[in-house]
Amino acid sequence: KQEVTQIPAALSVPEGENLVLNCSFTDSAIYNLQWFRQDPGKGLTSLLLIQSSQREQTSGRLNASLDKSSGRSTLYIAASQPGDSATYLCAVRSNSGGSNYKLTFGKGTLLTVNP
Amino acid sequence: DTGVSQNPRHKITKRGQNVTFRCDPISEHNRLYWYRQTLGQGPEFLTYFQNEAQLEKSRLLSDRFSAERPKGSFSTLEIQRTEQGDSAMYLCASSLAPGIFYGYTFGSGTRLTVV
Repeated sequence: KQEVTQIPAALSVPEGENLVLNCSFTDSAIYNLQWFRQDPGKGLTSLLLIQSSQREQTSGRLNASLDKSSGRSTLYIAASQPGDSATYLCAVRSNSGGSNYKLTFGKGTLLTVNP
Repeated sequence: DTGVSQNPRHKITKRGQNVTFRCDPISEHNRLYWYRQTLGQGPEFLTYFQNEAQLEKSRLLSDRFSAERPKGSFSTLEIQRTEQGDSAMYLCASSLAPGIFYGYTFGSGTRLTVV
């Protein structure tokens, strides 16, 4: 059974700092990994999707890497801003077993960027 | 395309009442998913449709829960005889089939509070 862990559970940084969020998963047989952002009481906004054959994806100040063999992904946020404050969720789509359409989520990292 | 739309955004109900939520997916997406998220946790899979066919139901979905997707368009999730443990954010998502190369798009969710 796939399990996804996100470290740290919470992170508080001053504005302008570069930061890294970590995600690990137990089963390396995955199709892809997706990073989401969730504002308090809101739904999920997709940030980046990395296919299993890819090493990284970039969008603006965000860069996500994937090391499938070691079961790890990182989300790098450059020059953080107060508007980046949110919960960041990592989700993997496994290709083992018959349920290859499900996403397995971590519990998220609550990021606070202080002005 | 306005993305995935969920209604209502918030629902407060008394224990024992029935509630129904609606999800309108992205029009060209033929896969639709329901997830449930409780406080401090990542979303958990509930059920999945390909077109109008419901192909899997999680063990989390007790007999009090039923989901439909008539004509492969919008979907409804009904909870009968609500319990306090049903209080959660109910998230709907859609994707293209075959799906393994595409990410999910989530809606804003329906926050259910059972009092």
